Amino acid sequence: AQSVTQLDSQVPVFEEAPVELRCNYSSSVSVYLFWYVQYPNQGLQLLLKYLSGSTLVKGINGFEAEFNKSQTSFHLRKPSVHISDTAEYFCAVSEGSGNTPLVFGKGTRLSVIA
Amino acid sequence: GAGVSQTPSNKVTEKGKYVELRCDPISGHTALYWYRQSLGQGPEFLIYFQGTGAADDSGLPNDRFFAVRPEGSVSTLKIQRTERGDSAVYLCASSFIPQETQYFGPGTRLLVL
Repeated sequence: AQSVTQLDSQVPVFEEAPVELRCNYSSSVSVYLFWYVQYPNQGLQLLLKYLSGSTLVKGINGFEAEFNKSQTSFHLRKPSVHISDTAEYFCAVSEGSGNTPLVFGKGTRLSVIA
Repeated sequence: GAGVSQTPSNKVTEKGKYVELRCDPISGHTALYWYRQSLGQGPEFLIYFQGTGAADDSGLPNDRFFAVRPEGSVSTLKIQRTERGDSAVYLCASSFIPQETQYFGPGTRLLVL
């Protein structure tokens, strides 16, 4: 069975500073990896996903993530954050076949400070 | 086009009552998922439908929880004899086929008093 660990429950960062949200996973099979964002009182929105191919994945709103198989990590990065990036971010994994549900981490609360 | 919709957006009920939560997936999406998100946690899988049949219901916590999708579109999650511990946000997601990206609805916030 897969599991996901998001190492930081809260990350405060100043506006225009870079940010990295960490995600590690465990799985005995090949995986698909996802980052979702949840704004207050809204549903989950897909930021980016890794299915195969290039390990550097670019998503919406200037976010990117890098799949590192040896370290079983899929950290999310943004070079310069905005106030509007304040939200909860969830890392998720599913089996590489795609026929399994998502397993989510507990989330990281990103707070951007003006 | 329209996204995944869920009704009601909020539901308050009393312990022991029966509740139904509805999910309307994106048109044409064959796969439908239910998740539960407790406060301060990530979503946890409950059940997954491929068409009309439940392909995986391993996440349902007990037999008080049941879900249907009789025509392969709208799904209803049913909770009998609700308990205070059932209070959470219930999320629905759909995808065109199981291997594709899951798109989430806004959720139903259930509060059991």
